Amino acid sequence: NAGVTQTPKFRILKIGQSMTLQCTQDMNHNYMYWYRQDPGMGLKLIYYSVGAGITDKGEVPNGYNVSRSTTEDFPLRLELAAPSQTSVYFCASSSITGTQETQYFGPGTRLLVL
Amino acid sequence: AQKITQTQPGMFVQEKEAVTLDCTYDTSDQSYGLFWYKQPSSGEMIFLIYQGSYDEQNATEGRYSLNFQKARKSANLVISASQLGDSAMYFCAMREGMNYGQNFVFGPGTRLSVLP
Repeated sequence: NAGVTQTPKFRILKIGQSMTLQCTQDMNHNYMYWYRQDPGMGLKLIYYSVGAGITDKGEVPNGYNVSRSTTEDFPLRLELAAPSQTSVYFCASSSITGTQETQYFGPGTRLLVL
Repeated sequence: AQKITQTQPGMFVQEKEAVTLDCTYDTSDQSYGLFWYKQPSSGEMIFLIYQGSYDEQNATEGRYSLNFQKARKSANLVISASQLGDSAMYFCAMREGMNYGQNFVFGPGTRLSVLP
């Protein structure tokens, strides 16, 4: 199993450009998450999904969009990039068995908006 | 008000000793989950342990255990027999709700340094 994969690893965007951060998991997990981590801070939830076709906003959704057409893929779309979106983006998926949850993280995407 | 409080910005521990990292949380929900994560200097995020609000037993995972005191709203992480590789930032987090309307908040983190 590859686990959770993210592409690209690093990207520089100009203000106003758009891009899609890719996230794929091969563990058949229903729950998937997108977080951002600003320097020196903990993570903030952007969007999450509880299954294919079902997505919902987290704490900081403005400026982002997601889709979940398959169980495996959960892409994050940035429209009209702004410097405030400079951050490290982590995708994660969760395995839930009874009352036990285990999370798996991708390696992260470092985004710089200039 | 802060939902997750980690009062120790930095901690030192001697190799092979146990260490407790503090976490207190604030919620009025009955159903919630508590998480601990490790972030080494390489930047990756590693999930360590999970405790559900209805679980009466403290969660354990290898050298990690979560000291869950529901009435005190505390979820401290205990690392036994510290190793040099345990040096990292440690984040406590809480999820309120499960399906729709999830609220997921992280604490500010504690930087743990393990001394040889």
